Amino acid sequence: EPEVTQTPSHQVTQMGQEVILRCVPISNHLYFYWYRQILGQKVEFLVSFYNNEISEKSEIFDDQFSVERPDGSNFTLKIRSTKLEDSAMYFCASSAGGYTGELFFGEGSRLTVL
Amino acid sequence: DQQVKQNSPSLSVQEGRISILNCDYTNSMFDYFLWYKKYPAEGPTFLISISSIKDKNEDGRFTVFLNKSAKHLSLHIVPSQPGDSAVYFCAARDSGGGADGLTFGKGTHLIIQP
Repeated sequence: EPEVTQTPSHQVTQMGQEVILRCVPISNHLYFYWYRQILGQKVEFLVSFYNNEISEKSEIFDDQFSVERPDGSNFTLKIRSTKLEDSAMYFCASSAGGYTGELFFGEGSRLTVL
Repeated sequence: DQQVKQNSPSLSVQEGRISILNCDYTNSMFDYFLWYKKYPAEGPTFLISISSIKDKNEDGRFTVFLNKSAKHLSLHIVPSQPGDSAVYFCAARDSGGGADGLTFGKGTHLIIQP
């Protein structure tokens, strides 16, 4: 069964460092998403990406965040200068599209900022 | 601003009985609702969805009910099985031009007791 894969599963970094989280979406999917879940809190939408550009982003997704699909298969989330409050589980998701298209999530990348 | 509310952080149900998970929403522009299930150290997985033009959708042991006037939906699992123990997230999609990602509730941890 096709699945969304994410790397790394866990990354520990120092405050102020840059982090890149990687995702390989399901191959025929067209819509890509990043969500995050801070420990004990709800899953929050960060950004959606379609046709090689951001289609929507939340207020959480400020200038420190960027996304890219560099090679047609990977979908990356970059945090330029990490803050303590960026510590969370980051989930990548993809969808075949359509308003009722369900999202398929990866297993998540846990980011710990010290 | 919690647009999707799951007011029960946890719910304990005996195996074989019915589990009822509740979800309330405030945004009247939500018109598509989904339930996701999440095991520890895994990403959310899609369970069942319902469009606002329906009031019920059934898939095997899982039934979702939607009461639009009350802005309330519920997920019924019957009979409950040990493998149903997980965190269940209610999610909603906004037709009104908002973020094309999903808005999630905080989740309800369902514990099925033998």
